[in-house]
Amino acid sequence: GENVEQHPSTLSVQEGDSAVIKCTYSDSASNYFPWYKQELGKRPQLIIDIRSNVGEKKDQRIAVTLNKTAKHFSLHITETQPEDSAVYFCAANNFGNEKLTFGTGTRLTIIP
Amino acid sequence: NAGVTQTPKFQVLKTGQSMTLQCAQDMNHEYMSWYRQDPGMGLRLIHYSVGAGITDQGEVPNGYNVSRSTTEDFPLRLLSAAPSQTSVYFCASSLGTSGTNEQFFGPGTRLTVL
Repeated sequence: GENVEQHPSTLSVQEGDSAVIKCTYSDSASNYFPWYKQELGKRPQLIIDIRSNVGEKKDQRIAVTLNKTAKHFSLHITETQPEDSAVYFCAANNFGNEKLTFGTGTRLTIIP
Repeated sequence: NAGVTQTPKFQVLKTGQSMTLQCAQDMNHEYMSWYRQDPGMGLRLIHYSVGAGITDQGEVPNGYNVSRSTTEDFPLRLLSAAPSQTSVYFCASSLGTSGTNEQFFGPGTRLTVL
């Protein structure tokens, strides 16, 4: 089955700086890579996703890049703000079905 | 739409007790799943369903049962609770079965087994 590794487990950045979280996956057949944000005590919510037919996707201050050859994908948050503080999870699907395998999460703290 | 709902929000059980965690969605989603979330371990898939009458095991199915008699409901049963099942449980659903659909999560159930 799919295996997803996520780094770092914790990340602290100054407000206004950029944050980068990286994930690697094992199954070359995976074709969907979502990122979820989970605020304290809340449910995970999708913030951005990318499919294997594109290399980069951007939505305002967040972007995701995908390198299929190396089997890794990354989340980039620019101009970080206090409300970006949360736990972020990457995930990869199992090709042809909806099963998601999640990374172990990154706790991002924005320092005012 | 209420989206994905879960009950109860909190539950305390004694070892050996059984209970059912309820999950419902009103978005006519085909796919539903149950995850458990433990510190440092992310979200791990317990069971999932691709449609009414069809269920399958995920990564950590032992000690749990599911059924899917309707499209809307996907209850998770703990047969004989153990302290190792102390966790936060999330139900999720998505529109189809293509593998590229957003999964919507419920608010979670925090379960403590003493």
